[in-house]
Parts: sequence; C-alpha cells; structure tokens
Amino acid sequence: GENVEQHPSTLSVQEGDSAVIKCTYSDSASNYFPWYKQELGKGPQLIIDIRSNVGEKKDQRIAVTLNKTAKHFSLHITETQPEDSAVYFCAATNRMTGNQFYFGTGTSLTVIP
Amino acid sequence: GAVVSQHPSWVICKSGTSVKIECRSLDFQATTMFWYRQFPKQSLMLMATSNEGSKATYEQGVEKDKFLINHASLTLSTLTVTSAHPEDSSFYICMMGRSGADTQYFGPGTRLTVL
Repeated sequence: GENVEQHPSTLSVQEGDSAVIKCTYSDSASNYFPWYKQELGKGPQLIIDIRSNVGEKKDQRIAVTLNKTAKHFSLHITETQPEDSAVYFCAATNRMTGNQFYFGTGTSLTVIP
Repeated sequence: GAVVSQHPSWVICKSGTSVKIECRSLDFQATTMFWYRQFPKQSLMLMATSNEGSKATYEQGVEKDKFLINHASLTLSTLTVTSAHPEDSSFYICMMGRSGADTQYFGPGTRLTVL
C-alpha cells in the first residue's frame, strides 16, 4: 500500500516568515494530494490540493508543489500569521482505485508573533 | 465546501456502556464514508470504510463487533462504540466522500472519554 512520510514534525517560524512542509509518497499511482489544517479540538480542514497532472498550485499565501518523478510534494505558506498555527497533514490517494486517503504524520506549526 | 456535522461533539461515559456518534451532511451526498480515530498528537488512523449499500470494511486490528458502522443514507453514518473501555478514549472523525469526486470532507470530530 501507500506510505506517506511528512517532515518536519514540528516547525516554529517568526510571524511574516515562510513555512515549508514536505511529504513523500511511495506509490507512483497516487494522483491526488490534499493538505489539511487541523486546529486544536477540531476536525481537519482542506486548505489546498493538487492533482498529478499539475506541478504547482497557489491560493493566496498557500502553495503546493508536486514532483512526480521524485514522489514528493510540499506545502508553502508565505507571510505567516499567528492564526496559521495548527497541525498540518498531507495525504495521498489514487482516485482510480478507491477513495482511501493515506495521511502523513502531521506537522505542528507555531507562528511566533 | 460541504458542511459535515458530528454529534455529539464530546461525550463522557462509564466503562461498559455504548456510545453512538452521528456523522451528517446537509449538502453533500456521500457514497463512501470513512471513520478515523486520532490519539493526542498523532495522525489519523483509518478504522473502517463504508460504501453505500455495502457492509463496512474494517482495517486490520479494528474489531467490527466493537465498532459498529451504519451507513444509513447518503447523508448519514453512525459509529457505535459498544462496551466502551478507557482505551477507547479518543477523537473520532468521520470523512465523507463521493465516487468520482476528489474532494472529501471531514466532520469536526467527537471527543470520547471513557471513565
């Protein structure tokens, strides 16, 4: 099955700096890669996603890049704000074979004011 | 995106009792339902997958007789933790999906504490 690894497990940045979280996956058939933000005591919320036919996607301060050859994808948050502090999860799935998502282990991001 | 609710948001129960958790969407018809559990500071662990009209498929190590899943309709699924014990204390989260659609939606989670 798919194996998703995520780094770092914790990340602290100064407000206004950028944050980068990286994930690798093992199954080259995976073709959909969402990122979720989870605040304390709440369910994960989708913040951005990317499909395998795209190399990069951006939504305001958030961007995701995908390198299919290397089987890794990254989340980039620019101009970080204290409200960006949360746990972020990456995931990978093959939309052709089923809907099961394979999640990374999470990154706890702290933005220091 | 779709709005998915879970009820209750938190529950405290005595050991040996059963607890039912509902996952409902008002604006999304889910052909597939996923139930996850999450321990503090850990990732989401898939417990079971339920497709409309079929019995739930449980992940290895998850007792199907202990965690009863009912995919009652396209907008409602329930997870019943039977004879709960303290080790079942966890954060339970549902996720709704639909065939052919990439995006899937999480519920807000239910915090279960078994005394």
